[in-house]
Amino acid sequence: SQTIHQWPATLVQPVGSPLSLECTVEGTSNPNLYWYRQAAGRGLQLLFYSVGIGQISSEVPQNLSASRPQDRQFILSSKKLLLSDSGFYLCAWSWQADNEKLFFGSGTQLSVL
Amino acid sequence: KQEVTQIPAALSVPEGENLVLNCSFTDSAIYNLQWFRQDPGKGLTSLLLIQSSQREQTSGRLNASLDKSSGRSTLYIAASQPGDSATYLCAVSPSGYNFNKFYFGSGTKLNVKP
Repeated sequence: SQTIHQWPATLVQPVGSPLSLECTVEGTSNPNLYWYRQAAGRGLQLLFYSVGIGQISSEVPQNLSASRPQDRQFILSSKKLLLSDSGFYLCAWSWQADNEKLFFGSGTQLSVL
Repeated sequence: KQEVTQIPAALSVPEGENLVLNCSFTDSAIYNLQWFRQDPGKGLTSLLLIQSSQREQTSGRLNASLDKSSGRSTLYIAASQPGDSATYLCAVSPSGYNFNKFYFGSGTKLNVKP
């Protein structure tokens, strides 16, 4: 069966510090990978998606970047965090052949102070 | 751009009641619609997926309907239980993409009181 791991679960970082959130998927190959952000009281916003190694697309301009160094690894980064980067970050995956269903990780609560 | 709205934002009901959650979307050209459940501080779990050609889907005590022409979907929960307490999110996917470009509503936070 497939599993998705996301860490850390919570993170408190000062403004201006770097960020690295990691997500890995097991039990499948060549998945589509996604990073979403959920601000308090708001819906999920798609930040990045990837259909293959090294292929990253950004949905919204922002202070963050994403990378996919391996087939089942997706990393969300920032060189200098802003207060507005605070939120709940969710990694997700879907099959490429059948991309209808999204499977989510457990999320990272990021607080930038 | 697709806008997804969920009403009400929060709902509190006594155990055993039947309830309806509403979702509306502005662009009727959708590929499918999904209802998700999110427990506090957790990721999302898919509950029901409705293809654009379908009118409804059922899973246990849950029934989701879709009226694409009017841009509406409802999630019906029968005989609610305290374990149903969570936030329910609606998401629509437009056609023509090779990835999940879902637009999410902000959710309905449900509290079922014992």
